[in-house]
Amino acid sequence: GENVEQHPSTLSVQEGDSAVIKCTYSDSASNYFPWYKQELGKRPQLIIDIRSNVGEKKDQRIAVTLNKTAKHFSLHITETQPEDSAVYFCAASRTAGNKLTFGGGTRVLVKP
Amino acid sequence: NAGVTQTPKFQVLKTGQSMTLQCAQDMNHEYMSWYRQDPGMGLRLIHYSVGAGITDQGEVPNGYNVSRSTTEDFPLRLLSAAPSQTSVYFCASSLMINQPQHFGDGTRLSIL
Repeated sequence: GENVEQHPSTLSVQEGDSAVIKCTYSDSASNYFPWYKQELGKRPQLIIDIRSNVGEKKDQRIAVTLNKTAKHFSLHITETQPEDSAVYFCAASRTAGNKLTFGGGTRVLVKP
Repeated sequence: NAGVTQTPKFQVLKTGQSMTLQCAQDMNHEYMSWYRQDPGMGLRLIHYSVGAGITDQGEVPNGYNVSRSTTEDFPLRLLSAAPSQTSVYFCASSLMINQPQHFGDGTRLSIL
């Protein structure tokens, strides 16, 4: 089955700096890659997703890039703010697989 | 729309007891799933359903049963609770697998 590895497990950045989280996946048939943000004690919420026919997607300060050849995708957060502090999860799935596999999560701390 | 509703929010059980975690969605989503979240291990898929009457196992199905008699409801049953099942349980739903997952608020379950 699919295996998703996420790095780093923790990330501390200064407010205003950029944060980058990287995920690698094992199943070359995976074609959907979402990112979820989970604040302490809350539910995971989708922040951005990308499909395999696209190399990059942006939404304001958040961007995701996908390298299908190397089987990795990354989340980029620019101009970080204290409210960006949370745990971020990447995930991967394929249309015929019916399963969404999550990475282990990255705890991001933005220091004012 | 209420979205995805999980009950109860908190529960303490004794080893060997059984219970059912409830999950309901009002978005007419075909795909529903249950995850457990343990510290440092991300979200692991327990069971999923692609529609009423259809269920299948995820990554960690042992000790859990599910059924899907209606589109709206997807209960998770713990057959004989064990301390290793202490976790936070999230139910999620979506139109189909490669679409954004909508999570409930979670059930925090402790087994003594």
